[in-house]
Amino acid sequence: QKEVEQDPGPLSVPEGAIVSLNCTYSNSAFQYFMWYRQYSRKGPELLMYTYSSGNKEDGRFTAQVDKSSKYISLFIRDSQPSDSATYLCAMRGEGTGRRALTFGSGTRLQVQP
Amino acid sequence: GAGVSQSPSNKVTEKGKDVELRCDPISGHTALYWYRQSLGQGLEFLIYFQGNSAPDKSGLPSDRFSAERTGGSVSTLTIQRTQQEDSAVYLCASSLTGEGYTFGSGTRLTVV
Repeated sequence: QKEVEQDPGPLSVPEGAIVSLNCTYSNSAFQYFMWYRQYSRKGPELLMYTYSSGNKEDGRFTAQVDKSSKYISLFIRDSQPSDSATYLCAMRGEGTGRRALTFGSGTRLQVQP
Repeated sequence: GAGVSQSPSNKVTEKGKDVELRCDPISGHTALYWYRQSLGQGLEFLIYFQGNSAPDKSGLPSDRFSAERTGGSVSTLTIQRTQQEDSAVYLCASSLTGEGYTFGSGTRLTVV
């Protein structure tokens, strides 16, 4: 079983819809949670970063972390065709141990105009 | 430079040949990471450099893989005796704080 599970999609929605993207994880030591967006043939770019449980909002994007359920979400409001990309969740533990992130396999999102 | 630069962007090599992939991180970023992304897969951690500390090599899949970082800046990932299963996109990222990475566009390696 992978440490981080993510539905690969594709997820197809009409323009203007609210999109919900999710990841589950098994390692209770994870404390830092991130969402990356990756366009085709490009490297991932950081969208949202949260520490521990709670919500964080940035424009049309909201990230939620529920550590009790080991479940994180990214919501995109008023989705646009330009949001069409692969969305990767990533996370790591606390402290000065291994600082590398563990990534989900990504969810491909298609926003239809 | 303004971003993380990787070269070459594409590399086709014959099975059994050695390849070198280069990464120029953002100036001043002390942390540098190599990941591998296979088709339909997530990012697989390979190796992590932090300042002058010994690198974390725990993700290297075999002893055919090695990496170095010279002068705390440029890094080279070397794959010896390439195999077809090494075909993937190799991504480099750098970070100042270790939290948010900045990724390069990757090197797409095809072993034929």
